[in-house]
Amino acid sequence: EPEVTQTPSHQVTQMGQEVILRCVPISNHLYFYWYRQILGQKVEFLVSFYNNEISEKSEIFDDQFSVERPDGSNFTLKIRSTKLEDSAMYFCASSDRQYNEQFFGPGTRLTVL
Amino acid sequence: AQTVTQSQPEMSVQEAETVTLSCTYDTSENNYYLFWYKQPPSRQMILVIRQEAYKQQNATENRFSVNFQKAAKSFSLKISDSQLGDTAMYFCAFMTGNRDDKIIFGKGTRLHILP
Repeated sequence: EPEVTQTPSHQVTQMGQEVILRCVPISNHLYFYWYRQILGQKVEFLVSFYNNEISEKSEIFDDQFSVERPDGSNFTLKIRSTKLEDSAMYFCASSDRQYNEQFFGPGTRLTVL
Repeated sequence: AQTVTQSQPEMSVQEAETVTLSCTYDTSENNYYLFWYKQPPSRQMILVIRQEAYKQQNATENRFSVNFQKAAKSFSLKISDSQLGDTAMYFCAFMTGNRDDKIIFGKGTRLHILP
Protein backbone atom coordinates (compact mmCIF):
# COMPACT_ATOMS: atom_id res chain seq x y z
CA GLU A 1 0.00 0.00 0.00
CA PRO A 2 1.46 3.40 -0.92
CA GLU A 3 2.50 5.58 1.98
CA VAL A 4 4.00 8.94 2.77
CA THR A 5 7.60 8.75 3.93
CA GLN A 6 9.63 11.29 5.84
CA THR A 7 13.33 11.70 6.53
CA PRO A 8 15.04 11.95 8.89
CA SER A 9 13.02 10.36 11.65
CA HIS A 10 14.86 12.46 14.22
CA GLN A 11 16.88 15.62 13.69
CA VAL A 12 18.87 17.37 16.39
CA THR A 13 20.16 20.86 15.66
CA GLN A 14 21.59 23.88 17.37
CA MET A 15 19.51 27.02 17.76
CA GLY A 16 20.03 29.33 14.79
CA GLN A 17 20.88 26.54 12.36
CA GLU A 18 18.92 25.79 9.22
CA VAL A 19 17.11 22.49 8.88
CA ILE A 20 15.40 20.83 5.97
CA LEU A 21 12.78 18.19 6.60
CA ARG A 22 12.01 15.92 3.71
CA CYS A 23 8.86 14.16 2.65
CA VAL A 24 7.96 11.90 -0.23
CA PRO A 25 4.20 12.08 -0.75
CA ILE A 26 2.17 9.31 -2.34
CA SER A 27 3.04 9.37 -6.03
CA ASN A 28 -0.28 10.36 -7.61
CA HIS A 29 -1.15 12.93 -4.96
CA LEU A 30 -1.29 16.61 -5.82
CA TYR A 31 -2.02 18.30 -2.50
CA PHE A 32 0.64 18.50 0.16
CA TYR A 33 0.62 19.67 3.76
CA TRP A 34 2.85 20.20 6.76
CA TYR A 35 1.59 19.99 10.33
CA ARG A 36 3.45 20.12 13.59
CA GLN A 37 2.84 18.78 17.06
CA ILE A 38 4.67 20.22 20.03
CA LEU A 39 5.11 17.51 22.66
CA GLY A 40 1.93 16.98 24.63
CA GLN A 41 -0.10 19.36 22.48
CA LYS A 42 -2.45 19.06 19.57
CA VAL A 43 -1.49 18.82 15.94
CA GLU A 44 -1.43 22.23 14.22
CA PHE A 45 -1.64 23.08 10.54
CA LEU A 46 1.36 24.88 9.08
CA VAL A 47 0.93 25.08 5.32
CA SER A 48 -0.78 23.59 2.29
CA PHE A 49 0.76 23.41 -1.17
CA TYR A 50 -0.71 22.76 -4.58
CA ASN A 51 0.43 23.34 -8.13
CA ASN A 52 3.84 24.51 -6.95
CA GLU A 53 2.60 27.24 -4.72
CA ILE A 54 1.37 27.74 -1.21
CA SER A 55 -2.42 27.53 -0.95
CA GLU A 56 -2.71 28.54 2.66
CA LYS A 57 -0.44 29.07 5.63
CA SER A 58 -1.03 29.50 9.32
CA GLU A 59 0.27 32.21 11.63
CA ILE A 60 2.98 29.81 12.74
CA PHE A 61 4.38 29.68 9.21
CA ASP A 62 6.35 32.92 9.32
CA ASP A 63 9.29 34.11 7.20
CA GLN A 64 11.57 31.54 8.81
CA PHE A 65 9.65 28.74 7.13
CA SER A 66 9.54 27.80 3.48
CA VAL A 67 8.35 24.84 1.44
CA GLU A 68 9.47 23.50 -1.87
CA ARG A 69 8.83 20.67 -4.26
CA PRO A 70 12.25 20.56 -5.84
CA ASP A 71 12.04 17.56 -8.11
CA GLY A 72 8.49 16.32 -8.56
CA SER A 73 8.69 13.71 -5.85
CA ASN A 74 10.08 15.35 -2.71
CA PHE A 75 8.30 17.97 -0.65
CA THR A 76 10.51 19.83 1.80
CA LEU A 77 10.03 22.11 4.78
CA LYS A 78 12.92 24.44 5.55
CA ILE A 79 13.38 26.34 8.76
CA ARG A 80 16.03 29.00 8.18
CA SER A 81 17.10 29.82 11.71
CA THR A 82 15.71 27.40 14.24
CA LYS A 83 14.46 28.48 17.64
CA LEU A 84 14.02 26.41 20.77
CA GLU A 85 10.25 26.60 20.33
CA ASP A 86 10.52 24.93 16.92
CA SER A 87 11.17 21.65 18.71
CA ALA A 88 8.24 19.47 17.72
CA MET A 89 7.11 16.54 15.63
CA TYR A 90 6.60 17.60 12.04
CA PHE A 91 4.14 15.66 9.93
CA CYS A 92 3.87 15.73 6.18
CA ALA A 93 0.57 14.74 4.57
CA SER A 94 -0.69 14.35 1.03
CA SER A 95 -4.01 13.93 -0.71
CA ASP A 96 -5.13 13.07 -4.21
CA ARG A 97 -7.69 15.84 -4.29
CA GLN A 98 -8.83 18.76 -2.20
CA TYR A 99 -11.18 18.02 0.70
CA ASN A 100 -10.28 14.36 0.60
CA GLU A 101 -8.51 12.14 3.11
CA GLN A 102 -5.01 13.28 3.94
CA PHE A 103 -2.45 10.54 4.42
CA PHE A 104 0.14 11.34 7.05
CA GLY A 105 3.77 10.37 7.13
CA PRO A 106 5.44 8.95 10.24
CA GLY A 107 6.79 12.35 11.26
CA THR A 108 10.19 13.90 11.90
CA ARG A 109 11.04 14.69 15.48
CA LEU A 110 12.97 17.98 15.51
CA THR A 111 14.96 18.83 18.62
CA VAL A 112 16.49 22.29 18.83
CA LEU A 113 19.19 22.70 21.47
CA ALA B 1 -13.41 30.09 13.22
CA GLN B 2 -13.77 26.35 13.56
CA THR B 3 -12.92 24.68 16.85
CA VAL B 4 -12.79 21.08 17.97
CA THR B 5 -13.17 20.17 21.63
CA GLN B 6 -12.37 16.86 23.28
CA SER B 7 -13.38 16.98 26.92
CA GLN B 8 -11.78 13.71 28.03
CA PRO B 9 -7.99 14.06 28.32
CA GLU B 10 -7.53 10.44 29.36
CA MET B 11 -9.58 7.25 29.64
CA SER B 12 -8.95 3.65 30.64
CA VAL B 13 -11.06 0.59 29.91
CA GLN B 14 -10.65 -3.15 30.21
CA GLU B 15 -9.89 -5.19 27.15
CA ALA B 16 -13.03 -6.35 25.31
CA GLU B 17 -15.15 -3.55 26.73
CA THR B 18 -16.80 -0.82 24.69
CA VAL B 19 -15.61 2.74 25.05
CA THR B 20 -16.93 6.03 23.71
CA LEU B 21 -14.76 9.07 23.10
CA SER B 22 -16.50 12.45 22.97
CA CYS B 23 -15.97 15.29 20.56
CA THR B 24 -17.82 18.51 19.89
CA TYR B 25 -17.06 21.08 17.27
CA ASP B 26 -18.14 24.52 16.29
CA THR B 27 -18.60 25.80 12.77
CA SER B 28 -20.91 27.94 10.70
CA GLU B 29 -20.22 25.84 7.63
CA ASN B 30 -22.81 23.44 6.29
CA ASN B 31 -20.47 21.31 4.22
CA TYR B 32 -17.60 19.73 6.12
CA TYR B 33 -15.85 16.52 7.07
CA LEU B 34 -15.10 15.00 10.44
CA PHE B 35 -12.38 12.51 11.26
CA TRP B 36 -11.00 10.44 14.07
CA TYR B 37 -7.24 9.87 13.93
CA LYS B 38 -5.33 7.42 16.07
CA GLN B 39 -1.78 8.15 17.20
CA PRO B 40 -0.11 5.13 18.84
CA PRO B 41 3.17 5.45 20.77
CA SER B 42 5.02 5.38 17.45
CA ARG B 43 3.36 8.79 16.84
CA GLN B 44 2.19 7.89 13.36
CA MET B 45 -1.16 9.52 12.54
CA ILE B 46 -3.61 6.91 11.32
CA LEU B 47 -7.08 7.68 10.02
CA VAL B 48 -9.64 5.61 11.91
CA ILE B 49 -12.91 6.84 10.46
CA ARG B 50 -14.35 9.67 8.40
CA GLN B 51 -17.82 11.23 8.23
CA GLU B 52 -19.20 13.58 5.61
CA ALA B 53 -21.56 16.14 7.17
CA TYR B 54 -24.12 15.75 4.39
CA LYS B 55 -24.54 12.05 5.16
CA GLN B 56 -27.07 11.25 7.86
CA GLN B 57 -25.90 7.68 8.25
CA ASN B 58 -23.21 7.19 10.86
CA ALA B 59 -19.91 5.88 9.51
CA THR B 60 -18.62 2.49 10.67
CA GLU B 61 -15.31 0.72 10.17
CA ASN B 62 -15.27 -2.75 11.72
CA ARG B 63 -15.14 -2.21 15.51
CA PHE B 64 -15.18 1.58 15.15
CA SER B 65 -18.34 3.59 14.71
CA VAL B 66 -19.38 7.18 15.19
CA ASN B 67 -22.44 8.90 16.55
CA PHE B 68 -22.76 12.03 14.43
CA GLN B 69 -25.29 14.53 15.74
CA LYS B 70 -25.15 17.44 13.32
CA ALA B 71 -27.58 19.71 15.13
CA ALA B 72 -25.72 19.25 18.39
CA LYS B 73 -22.34 19.44 16.62
CA SER B 74 -21.27 16.26 18.29
CA PHE B 75 -19.12 13.51 16.83
CA SER B 76 -18.31 10.69 19.24
CA LEU B 77 -16.28 7.58 18.50
CA LYS B 78 -17.31 4.18 19.79
CA ILE B 79 -14.79 1.36 19.96
CA SER B 80 -16.37 -2.04 20.47
CA ASP B 81 -14.57 -5.11 21.79
CA SER B 82 -11.53 -2.99 22.58
CA GLN B 83 -8.10 -4.53 22.07
CA LEU B 84 -4.69 -3.81 23.58
CA GLY B 85 -3.60 -2.43 20.22
CA ASP B 86 -6.22 0.27 20.50
CA THR B 87 -4.11 1.95 23.17
CA ALA B 88 -3.26 5.32 21.64
CA MET B 89 -3.99 9.01 21.54
CA TYR B 90 -7.20 9.70 19.60
CA PHE B 91 -7.74 13.00 17.85
CA CYS B 92 -11.05 14.30 16.61
CA ALA B 93 -10.58 16.50 13.57
CA PHE B 94 -12.52 18.79 11.23
CA MET B 95 -12.13 20.02 7.69
CA THR B 96 -14.38 22.39 5.76
CA GLY B 97 -15.68 21.15 2.45
CA ASN B 98 -15.49 24.27 0.40
CA ARG B 99 -13.16 26.90 1.74
CA ASP B 100 -9.85 25.46 2.73
CA ASP B 101 -8.57 21.95 3.27
CA LYS B 102 -6.55 22.29 6.43
CA ILE B 103 -7.44 19.84 9.16
CA ILE B 104 -8.21 21.27 12.59
CA PHE B 105 -7.49 18.88 15.42
CA GLY B 106 -8.80 18.60 18.95
CA LYS B 107 -6.40 18.22 21.86
CA GLY B 108 -6.83 14.48 21.93
CA THR B 109 -7.94 11.76 24.32
CA ARG B 110 -5.35 9.32 25.60
CA LEU B 111 -6.95 5.89 25.69
CA HIS B 112 -5.49 3.02 27.69
CA ILE B 113 -6.79 -0.50 27.11
CA LEU B 114 -6.04 -2.58 30.18
CA PRO B 115 -5.40 -6.33 30.02
